[in-house]
Amino acid sequence: SAVISQKPSRDICQRGTSLTIQCQVDSQVTMMFWYRQQPGQSLTLIATANQGSEATYESGFVIDKFPISRPNLTFSTLTVSNMSPEDSSIYLCSVEDLSTVSGYGGYTFGSGTRLTVV
Amino acid sequence: GNSVTQMEGPVTLSEEAFLTINCTYTATGYPSLFWYVQYPGEGLQLLLKATKADDKGSNKGFEATYRKETTSFHLEKGSVQVSDSAVYFCALSPTPGNTGKLIFGQGTTLQVKP
Repeated sequence: SAVISQKPSRDICQRGTSLTIQCQVDSQVTMMFWYRQQPGQSLTLIATANQGSEATYESGFVIDKFPISRPNLTFSTLTVSNMSPEDSSIYLCSVEDLSTVSGYGGYTFGSGTRLTVV
Repeated sequence: GNSVTQMEGPVTLSEEAFLTINCTYTATGYPSLFWYVQYPGEGLQLLLKATKADDKGSNKGFEATYRKETTSFHLEKGSVQVSDSAVYFCALSPTPGNTGKLIFGQGTTLQVKP
């Protein structure tokens, strides 16, 4: 299955600043997904990042707050802009493994970025 | 719409006890089903999956069977260990390979005591 390197693993940021999170995949993938996991909560999809086009955002998430870049088929970034304490969460990227030796591979996640906004 | 419902946690068990975490889903079509595990301070790891009705996913002693008639995908393990303490998420993919949206349940915290 795909291997995802995500960084930073954690950060503590001042309110009003921005943080960019990077995900690098060891194989080419069409779509990459960004999720948010608020403290004690489940995962919520923020957006889907396609190479060569603008990201598709889920209800409640907007490009001005969470701009995404997808410059090639192995890399994507998510920026959390103008942060407030409410943005304190774990942010994860994910890709879908469509084909592995054992068939459909499901989804692989990065190790996550634990963001604390103070 | 598509949704996943898991049993409320936390679940607290003694070592070597039998584990069941219930998961039911609502979906149109033929979704794929997953269990993910999140150990303290870590990201999500795929535990097991099933892509069609009656498939049984298994890994590390955990099992779950895709039951279309009851729209369920309950997670079981015959003898839990302290190292199994984690948060477990049931999830579905409505149309694998197409849009790729993954829908999660709320997560169930498992605590295993020695």
